Amino acid sequence: VQLVESGGGLAQPGGSLRLSCAASGFSFNIYPMTWVRQAPGKGPEYVSGIGTAGSTSYGDSVKGRFTISRDTSTNTLYLQMNSLRAEDTAVYYCAKIFASGSPYFDYWGQGALVTVSS
Amino acid sequence: EIVLTQSPGTLSLSPGERATLSCRASQSVSNNYLAWYQQKPGQAPRLLIYGASSRAAGIPDRFSGSGSGTDFTLTISRLEPEDSAVYYCQQYGGSPLYTFGQGTKVEIK
Repeated sequence: VQLVESGGGLAQPGGSLRLSCAASGFSFNIYPMTWVRQAPGKGPEYVSGIGTAGSTSYGDSVKGRFTISRDTSTNTLYLQMNSLRAEDTAVYYCAKIFASGSPYFDYWGQGALVTVSS
Repeated sequence: EIVLTQSPGTLSLSPGERATLSCRASQSVSNNYLAWYQQKPGQAPRLLIYGASSRAAGIPDRFSGSGSGTDFTLTISRLEPEDSAVYYCQQYGGSPLYTFGQGTKVEIK
């Protein structure tokens, strides 16, 4: 299993970024996938998840601003981040869910750093 | 929202000693959907325990989890130098779907 994030970087407050996560080594289409972020010196925080049928969920702090999606033809997970705020600064991890009905994060990417600053 | 409170904040022990980490939930965790992760500096978290007491693949048997309802424990029976890390508990259920504790740092003397 390999998860490789890309698309992180510096964004201005109010700006946008799109993160990608290239998945390999497993059947991408049969597992729920998530984004989890970690601000410097803090614990992890759930950002968003997408099920195998396309159902989505979001953490309260990003609802209405972030959008998760997946492309099963390219085994890629996305996170579109709009209206970015300073408090969105964090390392963003793509994480695979163990299995439907087993809501744990069993594989993680290396992370993509997102910095929101003017 | 289910809030997870971990204690102690830092644990400083010698190799071979037993470490006991606590995770207390503000409400009962449904179906014991409780996991523990280990995170070393500059790395992503690593799944250790799921379902409160099942070890993930490849995890040494010195790591064990127990508990139910609102009180959960991660025990490291014989500390090794490589166990130096921050340990997080995580639960599933409610809104938001997933929450994490604030972490316990384990230092090996």
